[in-house]
Amino acid sequence: AQTVTQSQPEMSVQEAETVTLSCTYDTSESDYYLFWYKQPPSRQMILVIRQEAYKQQNATENRFSVNFQKAAKSFSLKISDSQLGDAAMYFCAYRSANTGTASKLTFGTGTRLQVTL
Amino acid sequence: KAGVTQTPRYLIKTRGQQVTLSCSPISGHRSVSWYQQTPGQGLQFLFEYFSETQRNKGNFPGRFSGRQFSNSRSEMNVSTLELGDSALYLCASSYGSRTDYGYTFGSGTRLTVV
Repeated sequence: AQTVTQSQPEMSVQEAETVTLSCTYDTSESDYYLFWYKQPPSRQMILVIRQEAYKQQNATENRFSVNFQKAAKSFSLKISDSQLGDAAMYFCAYRSANTGTASKLTFGTGTRLQVTL
Repeated sequence: KAGVTQTPRYLIKTRGQQVTLSCSPISGHRSVSWYQQTPGQGLQFLFEYFSETQRNKGNFPGRFSGRQFSNSRSEMNVSTLELGDSALYLCASSYGSRTDYGYTFGSGTRLTVV
């Protein structure tokens, strides 16, 4: 079974600064997808960024980028130029590329990000 | 276009009762998944329906069940409610079965069992 670990329960960053959220995972599969989701107080899970394991290039979406280290099974999220609206719970998630189990997302325990002025 | 709609947003039930939660996916999406979110256990996968068939199931007791209708709307039912069933229940929809399709989540139903 796959597991996802987020070792930072809470993080704080000043507005306009950069913060990195950590995520490690464990799997025996070679083909899979990794995601970062944001959950603001509205409760809706919002996709921030996704990475295909077969792609070596790190994914980037505007101010959000990842550092994907497949051999180390590490998938960290970097938020640049942090904004007040970035304050939320951030979840790292794993999804198998095996069509039999691909519908299941396995989530980490989350990191609460606080953005201060 | 409209997002994933979950109703109701809040629900209070008494232990031993049963409850039905509803999820309307994005138009055209055929896959609906359900997750339970609690402070203690985090986010856990309940089940997934695709074209009215349950395709995948998480490790939950038989009190948790679901179904999907021909219009892709899905319901989940919890019978004989226990205090530990208090949680945020999230629904996510996706276009199809290919693994590169992404999921869109709803805002959830907050269930409180007293």
